Amino acid sequence: QQQVKQSPQSLIVQKGGISIINCAYENTAFDYFPWYQQFPGKGPALLIAIRPDVSEKKEGRFTISFNKSAKQFSLHIMDSQPGDSATYFCAAKKSNTGKLIFGQGTTLQVKP
Amino acid sequence: NAGVTQTPKFRVLKTGQSMTLLCAQDMNHEYMYWYRQDPGMGLRLIHYSVGEGTTAKGEVPDGYNVSRLKKQNFLLGLESAAPSQTSVYFCASTATVGREGAYEQYFGPGTRLTVT
Repeated sequence: QQQVKQSPQSLIVQKGGISIINCAYENTAFDYFPWYQQFPGKGPALLIAIRPDVSEKKEGRFTISFNKSAKQFSLHIMDSQPGDSATYFCAAKKSNTGKLIFGQGTTLQVKP
Repeated sequence: NAGVTQTPKFRVLKTGQSMTLLCAQDMNHEYMYWYRQDPGMGLRLIHYSVGEGTTAKGEVPDGYNVSRLKKQNFLLGLESAAPSQTSVYFCASTATVGREGAYEQYFGPGTRLTVT
């Protein structure tokens, strides 16, 4: 079963706009929620992450919003740039393990 | 440091053939992972290892075997390849799993495998 559901599958945003990707999880036994960014032909790389005792984390143009009661978290990319065009994966780490459960991925295209 | 490297980068197999994918990391990480990436399905964990000499099953282990004889290497084997195993395979490693510790999985560049 898919424990982490990600939407949308694809997203097109104009340069300077805000990109928003959403994830929902089903299991409460997660203790860490990262977002990974993947460029074509490359492996994923950690972008930003949050722990469930925090409602928001911001790093530059990237922000994670976390809603524990709704079991949802989202990635916001402010002032989106063509260089942000990539596939983004949310994930959730199972407590007391090193295992990540990934969402299905979102392909973002930022048009100049 | 090279980080996480994977060999080979590309491979085409016929149904029934076998092969081994090699993952190597030079960061002295304890934990290593093998994932497969398929369109619309994200990354799914095949097998993982929490240290030298240990292996454990992930979400989709059937048809694969692994070995971790040395801390820096993690091998993924396909004994009898099937078309359903056509995918991009990623290896990853991480140093710390503790609650207060930083947790980041470092991924290799991937191996694109096609089974005909």
